[in-house]
Amino acid sequence: QVQLVQSGAEVKKPGASVKVSCQASGYIFTKFGVNWVRQAPGQGLEWMGWISTYSVNTNYAQTFQGRVTMTTDSSTSTAYMELRSLTSDDTAVYYCARVASYGDPYYSDYWGQGTLVTVSS
Amino acid sequence: DIQMTQSPSSLSASLGDRVTITCRASQDISYYLAWYRQKPGKVPELLIYAAVNLESGVPSRFSGSGSGTDFTLTISSLQPEDVATYYCQKYDSAPLTFGGGTKVDIK
Repeated sequence: QVQLVQSGAEVKKPGASVKVSCQASGYIFTKFGVNWVRQAPGQGLEWMGWISTYSVNTNYAQTFQGRVTMTTDSSTSTAYMELRSLTSDDTAVYYCARVASYGDPYYSDYWGQGTLVTVSS
Repeated sequence: DIQMTQSPSSLSASLGDRVTITCRASQDISYYLAWYRQKPGKVPELLIYAAVNLESGVPSRFSGSGSGTDFTLTISSLQPEDVATYYCQKYDSAPLTFGGGTKVDIK
């Protein structure tokens, strides 16, 4: 069965960086892209960006341009999302999700369990 | 960027009631709309894609309609497990904006 398993919760200080991993199993990793979505406490869902696991093309939401980097390692079927220059506004649960498409940003059909990132001094 | 507006932001209904949630896009997105359900404290799950297609395994009481700018998610008979927040998302092109969510609970 399709599974996306994310890395554990993180606590970071303002100004630091965080890198969240998302290991996929149960399907051919390079046939589906990955979306990253975050959810601040008590708030809605916010799309952060997408990466193609085949071409390694990316498309980042304007809000995160210059501060986020999404990468993949096909040898371990793992996607990564690094967010830099953290502030308290980045405190959120970060989700990876499989994209139901080969080569374009698209809707998500399977989601990871989420990774809580807390930014606090 | 295209904005996605959901209404209402919350609603209360009785078990067995028909529930309708609306999502409006600020520009034409054709049929490129998905609906998700997020139960309290849980991960979002895909319900509907391409505006009208039911994801495999999703109960048939869920249905989607619409195209262009106006879309609807309908629950034909509200069940206890449908207490959740529902989100629409456009995916015609990036950014893949979500609506603000509609919180559904039992009256």
